[in-house]
Amino acid sequence: DAKTTQPPSMDCAEGRAANLPCNHSTISGNEYVYWYRQIHSQGPQYIIHGLKNNETNEMASLIITEDRKSSTLILPHATLRDTAVYYCIVRVAGKLVFGAGTILRVKS
Amino acid sequence: NAGVTQTPKFRILKIGQSMTLQCTQDMNHNYMYWYRQDPGMGLKLIYYSVGAGITDKGEVPNGYNVSRSTTEDFPLRLELAAPSQTSVYFCASSQTGNTEKLFFGSGTQLSVL
Repeated sequence: DAKTTQPPSMDCAEGRAANLPCNHSTISGNEYVYWYRQIHSQGPQYIIHGLKNNETNEMASLIITEDRKSSTLILPHATLRDTAVYYCIVRVAGKLVFGAGTILRVKS
Repeated sequence: NAGVTQTPKFRILKIGQSMTLQCTQDMNHNYMYWYRQDPGMGLKLIYYSVGAGITDKGEVPNGYNVSRSTTEDFPLRLELAAPSQTSVYFCASSQTGNTEKLFFGSGTQLSVL
């Protein structure tokens, strides 16, 4: 169902930048890319979204390639509390469809 | 700030029993959603509602029913519980259907034995 592809897991050292990739090669021109994360079976938490331009907020940065077929979520200074499952999402039939995501483990 | 509140947090059902999972939000959001999450998997949309009195099916609606009589409440009903419905259930809300920002509840862990 998911229209995105993410690596199943990644490790990152505490204090370093975590770069989480996502492929969405079938994305249409007016579809946004959304990122959510889920910490330890809590409800997912919105992080950021974007269409064409790079976006930044207090949580993360989102870099979208010019052809919009892939994007990267950047956590600039990862902490242990950023250990979570990160979902890259585009809409399917108008609704957000969550794939399996990437398990990010931040290690001290 | 209460946000999205789900009850109960945990429940064990016997096969064939019925129950209602409660969800309420205090943000005056028009859109509400029910998702289920099986172990190690992503979330699957069960039902959603675009406003009071309007509901529609998601990806996996079989075995469930919903109603939306008020803006605040969106209960999910299981009529004849089956082991395949063992899962964690999340309710979410958003201001509009095109919004990027869903607010999720803390989930209900349901086991059907």
